[in-house]
Amino acid sequence: DGGITQSPKYLFRKEGQNVTLSCEQNLNHDAMYWYRQDPGQGLRLIYYSQIVNDFQKGDIAEGYSVSREKKESFPLTVTSAQKNPTAFYLCASRTGTGGEQYFGPGTRLTVT
Amino acid sequence: QKEVEQNSGPLSVPEGAIASLNCTYSDRGSQSFFWYRQYSGKSPELIMFIYSNGDKEDGRFTAQLNKASQYVSLLIRDSQPSDSATYLCAVKAGGTSYGKLTFGQGTILTVHP
Repeated sequence: DGGITQSPKYLFRKEGQNVTLSCEQNLNHDAMYWYRQDPGQGLRLIYYSQIVNDFQKGDIAEGYSVSREKKESFPLTVTSAQKNPTAFYLCASRTGTGGEQYFGPGTRLTVT
Repeated sequence: QKEVEQNSGPLSVPEGAIASLNCTYSDRGSQSFFWYRQYSGKSPELIMFIYSNGDKEDGRFTAQLNKASQYVSLLIRDSQPSDSATYLCAVKAGGTSYGKLTFGQGTILTVHP
């Protein structure tokens, strides 16, 4: 059963703590993306990776870090430097042609 | 000016009617256009994509693209209450854009019985 999984579904953290969000795909897609969604603001790109061991900053990378050690996995760390981390985080992967992106179920992070 | 603009709505249509969702974009070099449906609390689901001028039909959905006017629309025929969701328009720039999608704010659609 192919798809993208994200865990956990809900995450609660205290301010000042780093937290890592998991994203795994078994679609054999090369490219993977992390987006953030806030109410009324649409989706904004945090980081993307086109191949293993390579990744680039998106539009709002400050306070975030990623790694891409395996094709299937693209974890996102939300660091304590991120000023407003509470949001809905979405991971996506892309087919090699066309450009359609498919999303995982998302992780809702709440930092208090 | 926003790069991708959608009317935030809410757009309310009766069951069985045609729902028309509109999107304009600012980058003339944009190549690919996508419509996602997002139910409340869920992640976006790809429902249509279109690359060439004209219409593309898939079941009850029709995507329309007019690159000269920088306009893309989504028509939903025979709307059902289950179509009630937020619809996101996404645009992929041309060239070496690493597949980046720019999203509109989304249009909330409500289909009432």
